[in-house]
Amino acid sequence: GESVGLHLPTLSVQEGDNSIINCAYSNSASDYFIWYKQESGKGPQFIIDIRSNMDKRQGQRVTVLLNKTVKHLSLQIAATQPGDSAVYFCAENRSSGYSTLTFGKGTMLLVSP
Amino acid sequence: ETGVTQTPRHLVMGMTNKKSLKCEQHLGHNAMYWYKQSAKKPLELMFVYNFKEQTENNSVPSRFSPECPNSSHLFLHLHTLQPEDSALYLCASSQALGGGYGYTFGSGTRLTVV
Repeated sequence: GESVGLHLPTLSVQEGDNSIINCAYSNSASDYFIWYKQESGKGPQFIIDIRSNMDKRQGQRVTVLLNKTVKHLSLQIAATQPGDSAVYFCAENRSSGYSTLTFGKGTMLLVSP
Repeated sequence: ETGVTQTPRHLVMGMTNKKSLKCEQHLGHNAMYWYKQSAKKPLELMFVYNFKEQTENNSVPSRFSPECPNSSHLFLHLHTLQPEDSALYLCASSQALGGGYGYTFGSGTRLTVV
């Protein structure tokens, strides 16, 4: 299938390492954020979300951190596995004036055994 | 399965052909979306439907024609496409429009225009 990773920022890690993927957003009024994972040949899959009244949210092996001061969102994956290899992108809800999510371009995560 | 099903998974069509993409969701969602995903660009919003009414057309060429007969089904009718229309076409749904609801995506239709 098409490689959606062409021309994307790439993060290469070893299996077992922790991975941190970053996303900058531009709208200070954005109030809801989501991280998606997209494997080759598949549609984006929801990983974790966070609302602007929080600065941290944890899931299974994943943590999302939100820094509203610098408009920065990060996804931390603990003990990265080869199955985590995919493109990860963030989405934001820009609140008033927008009815749809705005998606970032994405980061390709490559995990080596 | 994510709850959003897209068919076909792959489609090759000539520039003079007419074909349709189908999307179906059984999540009880009220909003549905068509996105185009190309290798060098972020997800591009094409159309938005809310309670089967079109609420947004993101300046999409008329060779793409959406249809939403009910809140569970969404079609994208294709005719006289160009090679640059080759891409992954993704359907998504959400509980409601706006307000910060996450989208559930289908697996997409890989379209190749020859």
